[in-house]
Amino acid sequence: GNSVTQMEGPVTLSEEAFLTINCTYTATGYPSLFWYVQYPGEGLQLLLKATKADDKGSNKGFEATYRKETTSFHLEKGSVQVSDSAVYFCAVNAGNNRKLIWGLGTSLAVNP
Amino acid sequence: GAGVSQSPSNKVTEKGKDVELRCDPISGHTALYWYRQSLGQGLEFLIYFQGNSAPDKSGLPSDRFSAERTGGSVSTLTIQRTQQEDSAVYLCASSRPGQGSNTGELFFGEGSRLTVL
Repeated sequence: GNSVTQMEGPVTLSEEAFLTINCTYTATGYPSLFWYVQYPGEGLQLLLKATKADDKGSNKGFEATYRKETTSFHLEKGSVQVSDSAVYFCAVNAGNNRKLIWGLGTSLAVNP
Repeated sequence: GAGVSQSPSNKVTEKGKDVELRCDPISGHTALYWYRQSLGQGLEFLIYFQGNSAPDKSGLPSDRFSAERTGGSVSTLTIQRTQQEDSAVYLCASSRPGQGSNTGELFFGEGSRLTVL
């Protein structure tokens, strides 16, 4: 079946450090891939997405590239800020219009 | 309102009691989803409403769970005879017409944390 595996947290970084949160998936067909973020005290919100192979999603300095050959969608940011402290979720839609498949979430803490 | 609103934000109940969780979606959003997030688990799909169509209930874990959506807007998730394994955060999301899980543009509420003692 379809599944998502993402890097376990918590991840703790200093401000301006480079961030990578790994996400790999198994899915049939041509899934769409997403990263959601949940800031403290707020609801989940879409961070970025990619809908076909080699697409790069980007937002707020974060990027992720849809790699079909490695079935991966790793989230990266070149220089994290304290305000990036949140929980990040990778998700896959494998053609079903209603049921995103989610990773377990990775907690990121950025220290000043 | 400006965002998806859920209530209560926290609910503690005794095993065997019934609970109701409410979701008020963003105005104009025709699709509404309920998800459950248990400790250490990803988000688990429960139910999906789209306009006047019959809801997709395929994710409901047992017949103790039910949901309705009145007037195409507010939704209530009801859990009857609660069990300890029902303890989780219940998340509601809505999306605009023509969008939804297929495009990933779901707007989530902050969730209702349910604790069953």
